[in-house]
Parts: sequence; structure tokens; C-alpha cells
Amino acid sequence: NAGVTQTPKFQVLKTGQSMTLQCAQDMNHEYMSWYRQDPGMGLRLIHYSVGAGITDQGEVPNGYNVSRSTTEDFPLRLLSAAPSQTSVYFCASSPRGGTEAFFGQGTRLTVV
Amino acid sequence: DQQVKQNSPSLSVQEGRISILNCDYTNSMFDYFLWYKKYPAEGPTFLISISSIKDKNEDGRFTVFLNKSAKHLSLHIVPSQPGDSAVYFCAARSIGNKLVFGAGTILRVKS
Repeated sequence: NAGVTQTPKFQVLKTGQSMTLQCAQDMNHEYMSWYRQDPGMGLRLIHYSVGAGITDQGEVPNGYNVSRSTTEDFPLRLLSAAPSQTSVYFCASSPRGGTEAFFGQGTRLTVV
Repeated sequence: DQQVKQNSPSLSVQEGRISILNCDYTNSMFDYFLWYKKYPAEGPTFLISISSIKDKNEDGRFTVFLNKSAKHLSLHIVPSQPGDSAVYFCAARSIGNKLVFGAGTILRVKS
């Protein structure tokens, strides 16, 4: 049982480039979400999904897109990378009615 | 405006003693509060939670206390062990299983 898998683990982008951070879970969880972690700010919610085909914005959605075509996958797209998007990104999933969220190992992104 | 605050960036405790980590919140609609532990280069892992209708939950060495009138919760670790050294995040759950996190507290347990 792999849990929540994020790829890649590390990525360096140039300003203006686009990329997709992948997230997959094998626990059949309905809820999935993306967070970014910045020093002194904890984890902030970017986008979340309560099921396939349903997504919504979190606290810091600007510059990011998501889609949820299957229960298992929840990719995060950076449309035009900016240095302010340098951060560690975490994907999480949780079952409907459950209390805890299960996190992936994170993707460390640097935009130069 | 931060809805969940952890005002102590770091805490240092001697092995075997009690560690107390604190968290304050502003939104009365949160229904669950959770503590996560995070080691470097790893994702956060769930530690313990408490429902908003309870005032205490215990799991082994870990106890979480909730004071709703003060909008305050705390995590007690007794006895503290060197392996407990990590960043601890307080989180509160809102509608849709969304979690709102505090900034985290770095706990160092000295042997």
C-alpha cells in the first residue's frame, strides 16, 4: 500500500516555465488537497477536491490549476512559474467522514 | 488573518520531561483539531486529534487538551524522547475536510 505518492521530489524551473506536479493515492479517498509549506507560515491550502470532477480554491490558489478526472489522481499545474512559487508542495488525501489527512513526501520546487 | 496560531517557534526540553505545545484558534466553526508531526524531507504524519465536543484525548504518551472558551488547545508529550524531536503542526478542520494549519513549533528533546 503506497499511500500518497508525489512526483517529482525535486524540481528547478525557470521563471515563466510551466509544469505539473503529480499526486496519486491508492486508498480510494474522496478528498484530496494541495498545500504549500513556506518558512514561518505553516502549510497553506492551494486547491482541494471532494471527489472526481469537483475542485475548489483554497487560501492561495493564484497561479495554480487543478483537475480531478479520477479518484486516484490530483495533479497541480503551474501555468507560468514565478520565484514566489518556490516552496515545498504537499498533496494529501482523506476519506469522507474521516478526520485525518494522509500526506505525500512532498515536492521541493525552486523557481529561478 | 491567521485562524490557527502557534506562537512558539521552538521549544527545547530535556529527555524524560514533559513537552507542552500550544495552539490558539479564532474560528468557532472548526469541528476537529489535529496535531501533525513532521521530520525533515518527509510529509507531515498524523499524531492525534480531538473533536470540538471533547476536552481531552489521550493516546499513549500524547494527550491533547481543548479549551473551547479560550479557543486554545495544547499537546502534552510525557515522557519526551529524543525521537520526538520534529516540527509539530496544529491544524483545525473546516467544511469539506479542509485543514487550516498553524506555523509549526520545532521541538528539540535533549538527551
